[in-house]
Amino acid sequence: DIVMTQSPDSLAVSLGERATINCKSSQSVLYSPNNKDYLAWYQQKPGQPPKLLIYWASTRESGVPDRFSGSGSGTDFTLTINSLQAEDVAVYYCQQYYSTPITFGQGTRLEIK
Amino acid sequence: QVQLAGSGGGVVQPGRSLRLSCAASGLTFNNYGMHWVRQAPGKGLEWVAVISSDGKTQVYADSVKGRFTISRDNSRSTLFLQLNSLRTEDTAVYYCAKAGFVGSYMFYFDYWGQGALVTVSS
Repeated sequence: DIVMTQSPDSLAVSLGERATINCKSSQSVLYSPNNKDYLAWYQQKPGQPPKLLIYWASTRESGVPDRFSGSGSGTDFTLTINSLQAEDVAVYYCQQYYSTPITFGQGTRLEIK
Repeated sequence: QVQLAGSGGGVVQPGRSLRLSCAASGLTFNNYGMHWVRQAPGKGLEWVAVISSDGKTQVYADSVKGRFTISRDNSRSTLFLQLNSLRTEDTAVYYCAKAGFVGSYMFYFDYWGQGALVTVSS
């Protein structure tokens, strides 16, 4: 199984500042034939299902504000939230869909400082 | 727009069974692989199972293999999860989720249902 490890577990950032969440996979999720990283990021607010933010490691889902961006390849990935807004308070998960079992990181709780 | 409406959750005793449903609308259901993901109270996300668009392929997490069965009825645009031999550790909100692209089920999940709470308790 591919183990996904996020850091930090929780994060407090001031409004308007940048938040950075890291995700490391225990093996590469880069599929060489199409050169795509099978890595997604989700945002989950209390009482709601997760919402897709980023897929293929860096492609922003339609309707997601451009302050959200994803980067990285292979085994190391980053979700960056620029100019943090109050509505960004949530738990963020990375996910690999390279192989089954599909696995998620443990989650990173983002709060306002 | 795409909607996934989950139902069938409830309180059940250990060892008993339950069936969850997920009714899809706003999409050509038989084009997409579908997944179940669960979340225990206060915990993270755990993938449970996937079924291919044509229903011929199912893959399960080891934690549910042999106890849970994923199925679909494309004529009714509905996904199912049959939960047998339930354990207290199966207590969770169960979400259905749609694969993000036509064809293979190995994609990100672009739409999620609201979730159905299953509580296993004596």
